[in-house]
Amino acid sequence: ETGVTQTPRHLVMGMTNKKSLKCEQHLGHNAMYWYKQSAKKPLELMFVYNFKEQTENNSVPSRFSPECPNSSHLFLHLHTLQPEDSALYLCASSPKREGLEQYFGPGTRLTVT
Amino acid sequence: QKEVEQNSGPLSVPEGAIASLNCTYSDRGSQSFFWYRQYSGKSPELIMSIYSNGDKEDGRFTAQLNKASQYVSLLIRDSQPSDSATYLCAVNGYNQGGKLIFGQGTELSVKP
Repeated sequence: ETGVTQTPRHLVMGMTNKKSLKCEQHLGHNAMYWYKQSAKKPLELMFVYNFKEQTENNSVPSRFSPECPNSSHLFLHLHTLQPEDSALYLCASSPKREGLEQYFGPGTRLTVT
Repeated sequence: QKEVEQNSGPLSVPEGAIASLNCTYSDRGSQSFFWYRQYSGKSPELIMSIYSNGDKEDGRFTAQLNKASQYVSLLIRDSQPSDSATYLCAVNGYNQGGKLIFGQGTELSVKP
């Protein structure tokens, strides 16, 4: 696997729960990303952080709340999710934001019941 | 028009054949192009990057870029059943702050 880790790998939560996804990169990169991948759909970019600063919020509902305490760690806080939020959530990192190759973590398979 | 477009497939080729995967993009200012392989239930894995017109070869994989035609392709020679996966084309969206724009992916099936 790559130098990007994600926990947990699988998560089942009810619509009233609060949970967090964690991502850590060991590549010395400065940019980190959250993507959502639903079945048979293209990757959807959710958030971009560059040097810990959020530079992109792709019209994501407020029930998803990102946090980037440093360039190596990225969190996605989840609350009052809907069943349609069930998907594979992928974290990625790149040396910098501007279009260089991104390396993905293994993803968290989220099921909202 | 989609920003990055791929045939969704499935593309089926026999073992040992050449698989040809195609991708077109709309942003003429794009400068970086990537191919990712994604096995079912797994995350995307970077397999090729290309930045200038022409061919780039890496083992059984060849990426081809034609910026004038806004076209990038991936050839897989001597296809193996283990190459069966979805292949994602990603393009540096120059007019969108440099973020990567992904196509919907082409599913490749290599039959023994």
